[in-house]
Parts: sequence; structure tokens; C-alpha cells
Amino acid sequence: RKEVEQDPGPFNVPEGATVAFNCTYSNSASQSFFWYRQDCRKEPKLLMSVYSSGNEDGRFTAQLNRASQYISLLIRDSKLSDSATYLCVVRNSNYQLIWGAGTKLIIKP
Amino acid sequence: SQTIHQWPATLVQPVGSPLSLECTVEGTSNPNLYWYRQAAGRGLQLLFYSVGIGQISSEVPQNLSASRPQDRQFILSSKKLLLSDSGFYLCAWSEMGLAFFGQGTRLTVV
Repeated sequence: RKEVEQDPGPFNVPEGATVAFNCTYSNSASQSFFWYRQDCRKEPKLLMSVYSSGNEDGRFTAQLNRASQYISLLIRDSKLSDSATYLCVVRNSNYQLIWGAGTKLIIKP
Repeated sequence: SQTIHQWPATLVQPVGSPLSLECTVEGTSNPNLYWYRQAAGRGLQLLFYSVGIGQISSEVPQNLSASRPQDRQFILSSKKLLLSDSGFYLCAWSEMGLAFFGQGTRLTVV
């Protein structure tokens, strides 16, 4: 089992819709969690950290479920510019970052 | 503010040729530095990380090596490239568990 798993997608979603995807992690001692966004042929960029209490940044909401060992990302009122690959990242107790393979999101007009 | 520079952006090299990719960080001292490779449709694979000058840890056995001759310089090298070395190489530095990436180098070995 991979340490961090994501549905590769692609998720094809109409503009304006709400989309959510999860990321599961295997190490219960994982300490920090992040979502990164990667545009085609570009480097990943931090989208948001994921806090235990959940957090929201505009149209984006991230949540952590430690009991079930997954984090989620919800995008409301999706825009064409949201099309990208979303990478889940988990920091373990050795301060190493473990990356998911990413979920590809395509927003269609 | 901190910035990270990585070059070149694209590279086409013949099999058996040497490789040198350079990464420099500005605006911070003693950063943790990383080299990742991302194959098409796959996640980021950690190749090397460094916590200080001359300190290199390798995550996977491979045809590549890394060096850190200066505090804010990290170099990825190979003496003889293989076809399987093709991929998207990313340099990164980290702080507080967050990673910040260079623009990446798309390497094609032909």
C-alpha cells in the first residue's frame, strides 16, 4: 500500500459545480498535511495547509479526518482556471514530505 | 523574500552523456534542499536531500548523484545518462514542513 494515495482522475466537472476529492495516508503518526496545485508542465505550488479543525480559503475548503486517515479538498463554484493536478502531501514524524501522485481536475465550460 | 532558481528549464541529452542541473536559493540560510523527479502521470519521487553543506542523503539507488558545494547551492549530476533518466526534475527547499519548488527541468534523454 502506498503511503499516500489519491484517485488519479481525471475529474471532469462543469464550470460552477462543486467538486471534492480525498487523499488517504497510511502512517497514523503523520503530523502535517498540505494540498499543492500543479499546472501542466509547471512546478507544484502550495495551495493550502490542512489543519485539524479544517480550514477554508475562499472557494477552497480542506479537512482532516485523523480517525479514518484522510484529508479532503472541496472546491466550490469551480472556475476554468481551477483545472490542474492537485497533490496531497503528508509530513511524517521524520519531517519528510510524502507526496501523492495527484488528482487531475478538468473544469469544462 | 526567499526565491529558488533552477536551470535549465528544458534539456535534451544523448544517452551516455553527462548531466549537471543547478539549483540556488536566495533569501534564506542553511535551507533543507531537495531534488525530486516526477515521471509522466506519477507522483514526486524524492531523489536526494541535504540539510547542510556536504551533507547528502540518497533516497533511492540510481544513476544520479548530488552535491552541495555551498550553503544555497544544490547540484544534480550524472556521469552517463540512461534513457530511464528522462523526466521532470524539481529542486525544492523546505521550511516548517512546506516545500517551495524551482521551475523544474524537463530532461529528455535520446
